[in-house]
Amino acid sequence: AQTVTQSQPEMSVQEAETVTLSCTYDTSESNYYLFWYKQPPSRQMILVIRQEAYKQQNATENRFSVNFQKAAKSFSLKISDSQLGDTAMYFCAFMKHNVNAGNMLTFGGGTRLMVKP
Amino acid sequence: EAGVAQSPRYKIIEKRQSVAFWCNPISGHATLYWYQQILGQGPKLLIQFQNNGVVDDSQLPKDRFSAERLKGVDSTLKIQPAKLEDSAVYLCASTSPTVATNEKLFFGSGTQLSVL
Repeated sequence: AQTVTQSQPEMSVQEAETVTLSCTYDTSESNYYLFWYKQPPSRQMILVIRQEAYKQQNATENRFSVNFQKAAKSFSLKISDSQLGDTAMYFCAFMKHNVNAGNMLTFGGGTRLMVKP
Repeated sequence: EAGVAQSPRYKIIEKRQSVAFWCNPISGHATLYWYQQILGQGPKLLIQFQNNGVVDDSQLPKDRFSAERLKGVDSTLKIQPAKLEDSAVYLCASTSPTVATNEKLFFGSGTQLSVL
């Protein structure tokens, strides 16, 4: 079974600054995906960024980037130029790779991020 | 395209009552999930359907929870009887199991259940 751990229950950052959210995971799988999801008060999970485990290059999506350390089983999210709209819960999640069917996500406990004006 | 639809958005019941939640996935998505998210925690998978068959229900408390997806489209999740610890947000998600996209889940806005 996979486990995902987010050690920072809450974080805050000043608008326009950079913040890094931490995530570690445990798995015996060699092929998998890692994700960061954002959950605003509307409750809908919004995909922020994803990383395929077989890719060494860190994923980047505009102001969002990850630091993926496969050997250390670490997957941190960096948000640059933080905006007020980034205020939300952030969840790290793991998914096994399976080409034949949809797969389940295993989520961490979440980090509440507050961006201060 | 239309997203994953869930209803109701909120539900308040007393313990020992019954409740049902409804989910309509994105058209064409064969895989459907129900997640339970207790306040302050990450979502936990309750059940996964592939069309109208169950793929994984290992974490579904089967003495009180049931779910069905009779025609492989809509799904309902039922709790009978409800307990205080069932208070949570129930999220539905769907995906299309193709090689290119099967890792991307689309989530609904969830149903927030309060059991008093």
